[in-house]
Amino acid sequence: QVQLVESGGGLVKPGGSLRLSCVASGFTFSDYYMSWIRLAPGKGLEWLSYITHGDSVPYYADSVNGRFTISRDNARRSTYLQMNSLTVDDTAIYYCARGVNLAYWGQGTRVTVSS
Amino acid sequence: DVVMTQTPLSLSVTPGQPASISCKSTQSLLHTDGKTYLYWYVQKTGQSPQLLIYEGFSRFSGVPERFSGSGSGTDFTLKISRVEAEDVGYYYCLQGINLYTFGQGTKLEIK
Repeated sequence: QVQLVESGGGLVKPGGSLRLSCVASGFTFSDYYMSWIRLAPGKGLEWLSYITHGDSVPYYADSVNGRFTISRDNARRSTYLQMNSLTVDDTAIYYCARGVNLAYWGQGTRVTVSS
Repeated sequence: DVVMTQTPLSLSVTPGQPASISCKSTQSLLHTDGKTYLYWYVQKTGQSPQLLIYEGFSRFSGVPERFSGSGSGTDFTLKISRVEAEDVGYYYCLQGINLYTFGQGTKLEIK
């Protein structure tokens, strides 16, 4: 069955960096777009970024453009989110999701930005 | 940017009664490929979001028939024909025609 497992979250100070990973199984990873979405405390879901499957073209929400970088490694069935210049407003649970429909989601990894 | 506006933001429903959530977008979600890039998700406490409806009205695999999506262009609705206790959670619409944008979310509670 389709499975997505995020990792890499944790506690980081403002201005710091973190790299999240999402490992996929149960489907042909190279056939699908992959997205990152977050849920901040007291807020709603926010789409952050997606990367296409063929030519790995990235797209970003304005809120993270220039600070976050999405990438993928089809051989490792993985997608990554490099997060730089983190602020307290980036505190959230971060999810990866599969495909144009965001049909399958991982369990999320928690990121806390605090001094 | 496409803005998605959901109403209401909270809903309290008696089990067995219907529920309806509206979602309006600032631009048409009908693509030239004929598909409507509007999705509905639910996030229950302690769980990841789950896809309910894709392309405006298609029910995702395993989603109960009491959930239905309708609408076109910029106005969409998610309906639950008979609410059950397990339907408690936050419901979100999502547009995918121009990057992605979620609605603010609607909290569904049981009376």
